[in-house]
Amino acid sequence: DAGVIQSPRHEVTEMGQEVTLRCKPISGHNSLFWYRQTMMRGLELLIYFNNNVPIDDSGMPEDRFSAKMPNASFSTLKIQPSEPRDSAVYFCASSLTSLYNEQFFGPGTRLTVL
Amino acid sequence: QKEVEQNSGPLSVPEGAIASLNCTYSDRGSQSFFWYRQYSGKSPELIMSIYSNGDKEDGRFTAQLNKASQYVSLLIRDSQPSDSATYLCAVATNFGNEKLTFGTGTRLTIIP
Repeated sequence: DAGVIQSPRHEVTEMGQEVTLRCKPISGHNSLFWYRQTMMRGLELLIYFNNNVPIDDSGMPEDRFSAKMPNASFSTLKIQPSEPRDSAVYFCASSLTSLYNEQFFGPGTRLTVL
Repeated sequence: QKEVEQNSGPLSVPEGAIASLNCTYSDRGSQSFFWYRQYSGKSPELIMSIYSNGDKEDGRFTAQLNKASQYVSLLIRDSQPSDSATYLCAVATNFGNEKLTFGTGTRLTIIP
C-alpha cells in the first residue's frame, strides 16, 4: 500500500492567494483527519471526517479554511485568502474506522505564505 | 489548564538506560490513549495505544495508564540513539462529541 498521499509537498504563496492542499487516504480507511503543526501550537486537529461526512470541524481556525471530502479516496483543505500566520506543516491522516484507532499520517505539506 | 500536557524537554538519557515520558490529561471521559513518535522533519507514527488501566508492553516499549490519576506514560528500555525523537501523547474522548487532542510533545535525546 502506498500509504497516505499528500500534494503538494511544499507550497510557497503570497498573502491573499488561495491555497488548496490534497489528500488521498489509505484505501479502505473510513476516517480522515487534517492537522496543522507549528512550533508554537504543536499538532492541532483541524477537521475529522468519517465515511466522507465531517464529524468535528471545531478546530478549523476561521471561515478562511474549508475542507471537503467528495468521495472515500480524496479530500481537500482550502485556505482563501491565505495569510502569513497560516504558514505551517499540514498533515493528513487516515484510520480504519474512527479517531479511536491508529492513525497513519501522510508526509505533510509545508506551506509558506509570504 | 491544557487538555493534554507533556514536559517539552529536552529529555536526555544515556544509551542503554530507561527513558520515561509522561503525559497528563484533564478530561475524565477520555477513553483511548496513544503515543506517537516524530522524527525531525517527518510525520508522526504510532508507537503504542492503550485503552485500559495498567501496563501494555511491546518490545522495548511499555505504556502505562492510570485513569484515576489521569496520566499515561511511556517507558523505553535499553534506549538507543535511534529513539531520539519527539514523542507525542494523544488522547481521544467520547463525551458528547468525539475529540482527539495531542500534547505538544517531549523531545528525547539518547546520548551515546
